[in-house]
Amino acid sequence: QKEVEQDPGPLSVPEGAIVSLNCTYSNSAFQYFMWYRQYSRKGPELLMYTYSSGNKEDGRFTAQVDKSSKYISLFIRDSQPSDSATYLCAMNKAAGNKLTFGGGTRVLVKP
Amino acid sequence: DAGVIQSPRHEVTEMGQEVTLRCKPISGHDYLFWYRQTMMRGLELLIYFNNNVPIDDSGMPEDRFSAKMPNASFSTLKIQPSEPRDSAVYFCASRLSGTRGSTDTQYFGPGTRLTVL
Repeated sequence: QKEVEQDPGPLSVPEGAIVSLNCTYSNSAFQYFMWYRQYSRKGPELLMYTYSSGNKEDGRFTAQVDKSSKYISLFIRDSQPSDSATYLCAMNKAAGNKLTFGGGTRVLVKP
Repeated sequence: DAGVIQSPRHEVTEMGQEVTLRCKPISGHDYLFWYRQTMMRGLELLIYFNNNVPIDDSGMPEDRFSAKMPNASFSTLKIQPSEPRDSAVYFCASRLSGTRGSTDTQYFGPGTRLTVL
């Protein structure tokens, strides 16, 4: 079993819908949680960064962490076709250094 | 400011050949990471360096893989001999230490798509 599990999708939604993504993990030592966005044939880029449990909002994006359930989520409001990409969750035990990634969820936002 | 630079962008080679992938991190960054991405296994960390010193190479799949960082602005990942199962996209990423929060970010290059026939 992988340390970080993520549904591969694809997840197809109409433009303007809310996109809901999540990851589960097994290692309770993870403290820092990230979401990366990867466009086709590009490298991943950091989208959201959170520490420990709680919510963080940045524009149309909201990240949630529930450490008691070992579950993290990313919500994209008012989704746009430009949000079509693969979203990878990542986490580590201490700031920086070795990240453990989920397998990624492919999202398609249809106009 | 240029991001992480990788070369070549695409590499097609035959089984048994030596392959060398190159990476130039963002200037001033002191951490460098090599990842491999496949459909089956996702994004896997192979090795990372801090101040040009290898810190953790536990992700290197086998002795056919080696990585070097002779200076702060250049790193190579070598596969010798290459095998078809090495076909993947290889990413290099760099990071600047000493900061926390959202600035504690790994910046990825565009990747090298390797195909071993």
